[in-house]
Amino acid sequence: GEDVEQSLFLSVREGDSSVINCTYTDSSSTYLYWYKQEPGAGLQLLTYIFSNMDMKQDQRLTVLLNKKDKHLSLRIADTQTGDSAIYFCAEYTGGFKTIFGAGTRLFVKA
Amino acid sequence: EAGVTQFPSHSVIEKGQTVTLRCDPISGHDNLYWYRRVMGKEIKFLLHFVKESKQDESGMPNNRFLAERTGGTYSTLKVQPAELEDSGVYFCASSQGQGDGYTFGSGTRLTVV
Repeated sequence: GEDVEQSLFLSVREGDSSVINCTYTDSSSTYLYWYKQEPGAGLQLLTYIFSNMDMKQDQRLTVLLNKKDKHLSLRIADTQTGDSAIYFCAEYTGGFKTIFGAGTRLFVKA
Repeated sequence: EAGVTQFPSHSVIEKGQTVTLRCDPISGHDNLYWYRRVMGKEIKFLLHFVKESKQDESGMPNNRFLAERTGGTYSTLKVQPAELEDSGVYFCASSQGQGDGYTFGSGTRLTVV
C-alpha cells in the first residue's frame, strides 16, 4: 500500500540544525517533496528531490534520500523562529497521485 | 499571479445539512486535487481532476461526497448530508503537470455539529 510516516513533533533551539525524518512505502515513487504549512495558510512547496538523486541542497535546506531504506530527511541549518511550522513529507507514487504524511510540527525555541 | 483560492475559509453546519466548498485553481492548471486533513492526521487524497474529467476519485469516502469541475475551471465539493466524521480541513491544490509540486489553497475548515 501507499503510506508516508513521519514523527509528529520536533523541538530545537534557535541557531541549531533541525532534522525532520520521513519513511515511505511505494518503491516506484518518482518524486519526493517537502511542504511547509504556517498557521492559517495552505501548504507551500519547499523543495523536492527526484528518486534517482540521493541529496539536494538549497540554501539552508538539505534533502537526503535513502531509496533502499525508503527514508527521506529534511535538514534545516541555522533554524530560525520563522521556521516554526508543520512540515509535510509527500511522495508522488506509481499510482499517479501524491500521498502526504501527517506532518511534523517544528517548534523553534528562542 | 493569483494563487489557489478556496471558499469559504470556515463552515459550521449541523449534522444532516448540506455544504458546498469551492476551489478556484491557478489559471491554466489542468490538474486539480481535493485533499482532507482530519484531526491532525495525514492529508488524505480525495480526488483528482484533469480539466473537467475525474482522473482518480479513489479517495472519496462515500456517495455523500460529490465533486464537480464544470468547464475545467473552478471545482466544487458538496457534502450531503453531512455527518460528524466529515469535520476536518479540506484542501484544494492545482498543478500544471501531474508530477509537479502542487500549489495549495488555504483550506476550508468544516465543522459538523
